[in-house]
Amino acid sequence: KAGVTQTPRYLIKTRGQQVTLSCSPISGHRSVSWYQQTPGQGLQFLFEYFSETQRNKGNFPGRFSGRQFSNSRSEMNVSTLELGDSALYLCASSLGQVYNSPLHFGNGTRLTVT
Amino acid sequence: KNEVEQSPQNLTAQEGEFITINCSYSVGISALHWLQQHPGGGIVSLFMLSSGKKKHGRLIATINIQEKHSSLHITASHPRDSAVYICAPMEYGNKLVFGAGTILRVKS
Repeated sequence: KAGVTQTPRYLIKTRGQQVTLSCSPISGHRSVSWYQQTPGQGLQFLFEYFSETQRNKGNFPGRFSGRQFSNSRSEMNVSTLELGDSALYLCASSLGQVYNSPLHFGNGTRLTVT
Repeated sequence: KNEVEQSPQNLTAQEGEFITINCSYSVGISALHWLQQHPGGGIVSLFMLSSGKKKHGRLIATINIQEKHSSLHITASHPRDSAVYICAPMEYGNKLVFGAGTILRVKS
């Protein structure tokens, strides 16, 4: 069974641009959650989607958004990039029908904003 | 005060030693994850537990919901156990909060 796939692995963007990251969950998983990891703040929860609906959201500005498609693939978008958005962005998938399903993480997308 | 406190922050052990990493949290949770992150970024969920104790190979995780405390133990540590270990309580609604992590180095 294929694992969680995140694309691209690396991205370099300029301040003010926008970026879209993609996450393909394990087949059959309907929940996808997104996380940001920076040296200063560590890991932080961004949002979680289940069956195309956002179920939970962390404390991030509106520049961070996401969506989930009918095949459970998810994208997150960051608009008007700032230097502080440079981070490793991770997604995780789970069955999600009930809370507390085990999480499976992708290898992440490393975003550098210059 | 942080919602999740992990200790120690750094740990160097000799191969074969018994290792304990502790986690205290202040939020109400439905479960707690112990995560392992190797250099390069990939994260693996080692355990998800909501009560009692779980064991997988040389790894043991315990949780005391009343005391809001969890521990991760590694028996007979090995250099391949060198990684960052992160405690991640799950608030109701699948929302994870994260500890700062414990950097473990096991020397041969």
